[in-house]
Amino acid sequence: DAGVIQSPRHEVTEMGQEVTLRCKPISGHNSLFWYRQTMMRGLELLIYFNNNVPIDDSGMPEDRFSAKMPNASFSTLKIQPSEPRDSAVYFCASRGTGKRSPEAFFGQGTRLTVV
Amino acid sequence: EDQVTQSPEALRLQEGESSSLNCSYTVSGLRGLFWYRQDPGKGPEFLFTLYSAGEEKEKERLKATLTKKESFLHITAPKPEDSATYLCAVQFNQAGTALIFGKGTTLSVSS
Repeated sequence: DAGVIQSPRHEVTEMGQEVTLRCKPISGHNSLFWYRQTMMRGLELLIYFNNNVPIDDSGMPEDRFSAKMPNASFSTLKIQPSEPRDSAVYFCASRGTGKRSPEAFFGQGTRLTVV
Repeated sequence: EDQVTQSPEALRLQEGESSSLNCSYTVSGLRGLFWYRQDPGKGPEFLFTLYSAGEEKEKERLKATLTKKESFLHITAPKPEDSATYLCAVQFNQAGTALIFGKGTTLSVSS
């Protein structure tokens, strides 16, 4: 398996523009997570899905952020409009269904810069 | 209030100089504690899962241990290639919940 695949790897955009980050989880995994990483706050959970259904979005900073998972093999995180304080590395992770395999596997991340 | 706290924030070691990283947590109902390694520009890479106090896991020069309120990642005779940020995460309460991460310890090993 190729692992969790994120695109793009780098994104530079101007303030006010819409940004869409994409994620393909590991085949067969039923949980998907979006995290944001900054130097100040570390890895923060934004939202997670179980079986394509959003379970907890309490980490989403504000209404400018939205996430969807239309099927088991694809998810998007959208920021509209983007602001400079959104600059960070965004990670997607997925996890399988086994109770004894609760670890999550991460993609390589998308480095977002909003200027 | 942070639920997962890692210390120290940064650690510099000489090659062969053993040490330990700490991860303490305040959540109740722990289901699992996880250690990850993160190299610059990459996503976190899974190392270990610990489920109950007294449990230990080993991989090469790394050994992770768990008590009721903290975990240690022991690094024995480290090499420069062990340089990375080590992240600790916890899963609590119910199965299917997300991992909550600490801010990490950045380890630098010089030859």
